[in-house]
Amino acid sequence: NAGVTQTPKFQVLKTGQSMTLQCAQDMNHEYMSWYRQDPGMGLRLIHYSVGAGITDQGEVPNGYNVSRSTTEDFPLRLLSAAPSQTSVYFCASTRDRVGTGELFFGEGSRLTVL
Amino acid sequence: EDQVTQSPEALRLQEGESSSLNCSYTVSGLRGLFWYRQDPGKGPEFLFTLYSAGEEKEKERLKATLTKKESFLHITAPKPEDSATYLCAPTSGTYKYIFGTGTRLKVLA
Repeated sequence: NAGVTQTPKFQVLKTGQSMTLQCAQDMNHEYMSWYRQDPGMGLRLIHYSVGAGITDQGEVPNGYNVSRSTTEDFPLRLLSAAPSQTSVYFCASTRDRVGTGELFFGEGSRLTVL
Repeated sequence: EDQVTQSPEALRLQEGESSSLNCSYTVSGLRGLFWYRQDPGKGPEFLFTLYSAGEEKEKERLKATLTKKESFLHITAPKPEDSATYLCAPTSGTYKYIFGTGTRLKVLA
């Protein structure tokens, strides 16, 4: 049982490049989400999904795209990277179905945009 | 607007020196408050959930308590391995978790 797995752990991009951060969970959780963590700020929700085929925006969705074709996978796409997207990204999931359960986090993907 | 504030931002303790971390929140219709531990370079790890004022939960040297406006994480006789950043996150439900900026705890041997 690996939990939540994120790849890559580190990535450096140039402004304007695109890339996908991968997230997979093996706990059969319906809910999955992406957060970004910046110094001096709490974790901020980018996008989330309550099941395959269902996604919605969080607090800071601009510049990011998601899809959910399977229960296990929830990739985050950066369409045209900007320096403001330099951050640490965390994928999280929960088995809870009413939105009050504890989150299980991946180990993070550190992204630098030059 | 829902808000959460954690204090202090950083705390240095000697091994065995007990203390408390504070999480003050303003959330409409609180459905739960979570505490997480985050080690450098890692994702947050779940510690506790508190659901109603007056509730307390314990795990080893940690005890979390909840009032209508605050939550405290009490650390009794800490050890160096308790060094980490501690995050609190109240929620009003429907996956709306509001994360604080955390308290960075350093326990010196």
